[in-house]
Amino acid sequence: DQQVKQNSPSLSVQEGRISILNCDYTNSMFDYFLWYKKYPAEGPTFLISISSIKDKNEDGRFTVFLNKSAKHLSLHIVPSQPGDSAVYFCAASGSGSARQLTFGSGTQLTVLP
Amino acid sequence: IAGITQAPTSQILAAGRRMTLRCTQDMRHNAMYWYRQDLGLGLRLIHYSNTAGTTGKGEVPDGYSVSRANTDDFPLTLASAVPSQTSVYFCASREGNTANYGYTFGSGTRLTVV
Repeated sequence: DQQVKQNSPSLSVQEGRISILNCDYTNSMFDYFLWYKKYPAEGPTFLISISSIKDKNEDGRFTVFLNKSAKHLSLHIVPSQPGDSAVYFCAASGSGSARQLTFGSGTQLTVLP
Repeated sequence: IAGITQAPTSQILAAGRRMTLRCTQDMRHNAMYWYRQDLGLGLRLIHYSNTAGTTGKGEVPDGYSVSRANTDDFPLTLASAVPSQTSVYFCASREGNTANYGYTFGSGTRLTVV
């Protein structure tokens, strides 16, 4: 049973518009949520994170929103650029010393020029 | 350049053979992880190590083993490879013990078991 779900395998948006990537989770014990970006033939790179005690975190063009009651988070990219085309993974971290990340299945974002 | 080095970059392996995927980091991170990436399944944790000398099992540990003799190296061994182990393998490390620190990933090893 997947604890972190990304239900949209792909998303296409026009350059300059907003990209919204969604993620749902089932485990209420997760206390941190992270987004990673992955280009082909490269490892994932950390993009932005949010604590479960917050509902929004912003970093430049990237904003992550967390709705704890709905167990839902989203990543907003504004404005979208062609270089943002990549696979985006949502991840969640539980408490405890291991701090393992549980990843979603990813969403392929394509930003069209 | 600080980071994680994985070797080999890619490998075709006959079923039943033994293989070790290498992972070395130069950031002195305590925690290290091995994930496999499969289409539609995202990244799944195989094994992890919180610090040198300790290891633990992740979500999909069967058929794999790890060791952590020192801080820098975290090799992953397939004792007898099977086709279902065809995947892209990523090694990662984490700075600190707070969850807002993201992982640093290597570039991956693409393994094909035939």
